[in-house]
Amino acid sequence: DAKTTQPTSMDCAEGRAANLPCNHSTISGNEYVYWYRQIHSQGPQYIIHGLKNNETNEMASLIITEDRKSSTLILPHATLRDTAVYYCIVRVYNQGGKLIFGQGTELSVKP
Amino acid sequence: GAVVSQHPSRVICKSGTSVKIECRSLDFQATTMFWYRQFPKQSLMLMATSNEGSKATYEQGVEKDKFLINHASLTLSTLTVTSAHPEDSSFYICSAGQITNEQFFGPGTRLTVL
Repeated sequence: DAKTTQPTSMDCAEGRAANLPCNHSTISGNEYVYWYRQIHSQGPQYIIHGLKNNETNEMASLIITEDRKSSTLILPHATLRDTAVYYCIVRVYNQGGKLIFGQGTELSVKP
Repeated sequence: GAVVSQHPSRVICKSGTSVKIECRSLDFQATTMFWYRQFPKQSLMLMATSNEGSKATYEQGVEKDKFLINHASLTLSTLTVTSAHPEDSSFYICSAGQITNEQFFGPGTRLTVL
């Protein structure tokens, strides 16, 4: 699976959009981009995933560049409860495939 | 979304004893479950892949005789930490794979070995 690079930490004002970048320059054509987050002392929570088209769900939007070498997770209106570590993971789409976690981005949403 | 539970949520044991952690998928069947370990201020580290009805596959550096994994049914996998020592104190997390390929994680088990 391709390696990802994320900033160690970011701050965001409550109510503002949080834009979390991820670089995955060695991504293969059959690898998807997944985002999970982990709130302190809890299990990770699935957020969103995509292959090459932009994706949106009730939690977030995922913007993938045309060359697929980077992506951005967007939380449109961050709240204090969005404070967590966000993990960007790329992997081949196969049923039940394992996830390899990097260090992630620690997002702090401030009042 | 799918729900994965873990039991117990927190356990404290004496050095040398064995501890069993259960992971259950509550509303879906999971042919594959995964076990992770997380030390303070660190990311999740995959320990092993648990497949229903077959032997678990361990990641490099993980002692299979120390961390016994059993996946007895499509909804239950167990991790037994045998002869636990203080260095085994950690946050253990399981996840289960669903047919849509999303993995759902349990809430984690905090193990403290005295």
